[in-house]
Amino acid sequence: DTEVTQTPKHLVMGMTNKKSLKCEQHMGHRAMYWYKQKAKKPPELMFVYSYEKLSINESVPSRFSPECPNSSLLNLHLHALQPEDSALYLCASSQDLGGAKNEQFFGPGTRLTVL
Amino acid sequence: SQQGEEDPQALSIQEGENATMNCSYKTSINNLQWYRQNSGRGLVHLILIRSNEREKHSGRLRVTLDTSKKSSSLLITASRAADTASYFCATGKAAGNKLTFGGGTRVLVKP
Repeated sequence: DTEVTQTPKHLVMGMTNKKSLKCEQHMGHRAMYWYKQKAKKPPELMFVYSYEKLSINESVPSRFSPECPNSSLLNLHLHALQPEDSALYLCASSQDLGGAKNEQFFGPGTRLTVL
Repeated sequence: SQQGEEDPQALSIQEGENATMNCSYKTSINNLQWYRQNSGRGLVHLILIRSNEREKHSGRLRVTLDTSKKSSSLLITASRAADTASYFCATGKAAGNKLTFGGGTRVLVKP
């Protein structure tokens, strides 16, 4: 299985809602990532997890809260978002963080709209 | 912040022609990767070239890397309509495997 899956595919939420994005991989990868991508822009890194521990937080606002319950799962909890947070949220995984060859495998993304 | 800048921003070619896009970056890197993205979907990894490599091939793809000029190019030969997508370069550093993406090149291959 060389897939990264993400649910839901689409999410519409109000600014007072609490929702979660889910990401799963069964490739035995120990590093997982969240990216945010606005329309016609490149992906921007948000968080990196390595061996289920948060390794990098790119100064993301606290209304985004990542969680890695186990090595196959990565969640992104959303609360009190703003309309400008509307974007495509991409999850990725790689074997680990070290070494010169660590391609990242991306999921299809969750398209989030905040009303 | 963006590390790489891609050129051109958009490219329109006929099926069968070659497509070339360039990526420039600013700081030292461990590797440089190219990804393809179809219409707001996930990214597909195409090829990784390490900082000590100069050229790499994969099928119809050819990537070059010039670390002295801090630039890379991606050549797609004999393009097909299915190659229509956005192509991103991404520079990787060993610490944290953090990828920083360039602005992307939108390629349209007309049948």
